[in-house]
Amino acid sequence: EPEVTQTPSHQVTQMGQEVILRCVPISNHLYFYWYRQILGQKVEFLVSFYNNEISEKSEIFDDQFSVERPDGSNFTLKIRSTKLEDSAMYFCASKDSLPEAFFGQGTRLTVV
Amino acid sequence: AQSVTQLGSHVSVSEGALVLLRCNYSSSVPPYLFWYVQYPNQGLQLLLKYTSAATLVKGINGFEAEFKKSETSFHLTKPSAHMSDAAEYFCAVSLPAGGFKTIFGAGTRLFVKA
Repeated sequence: EPEVTQTPSHQVTQMGQEVILRCVPISNHLYFYWYRQILGQKVEFLVSFYNNEISEKSEIFDDQFSVERPDGSNFTLKIRSTKLEDSAMYFCASKDSLPEAFFGQGTRLTVV
Repeated sequence: AQSVTQLGSHVSVSEGALVLLRCNYSSSVPPYLFWYVQYPNQGLQLLLKYTSAATLVKGINGFEAEFKKSETSFHLTKPSAHMSDAAEYFCAVSLPAGGFKTIFGAGTRLFVKA
């Protein structure tokens, strides 16, 4: 069964460093999303991406964040200068024309 | 704006007892509704979904949920709890007007006592 793949599963980075979280969505999907879950809290929407551009972003998604689809298969989330409060689980999701989005297993980011 | 409210951040049941996790949504039009389960340090697993077909939806692991438009509810039930059901459960909603982004409730942690 096709699935969304995220790498790495865990990443530890120093405060102020740039990180790139990678996602390989399901191949025929057109809509892509990033979500964040701070430990013990709910899953929050960050950004949606369609037709090679951001279609919507939340207030969390400030200038420190960017997304890119550098080729036909990858979808990345970049955090330019990480802060301690960026520590969280980050989920990528993708969907086709149907309502259901498929989620990856997440990348746990720890900023120290 | 669409939103999801899960009543009860923690629910505790005995093994073999009925599981009932409550979810109410707020939306001007009937949304698509989902229940996800998250085991410790793991990702999100889809339990079941409502996408405007049958109002009673059956999912994996014996769970089911009923969409009640009059009550704007989508409660999750399981007749008999198992120890392995202990996890965090998230109700979620998505709408075409929202670009189908998924909005999650705050989650309910289910404890199962032996």
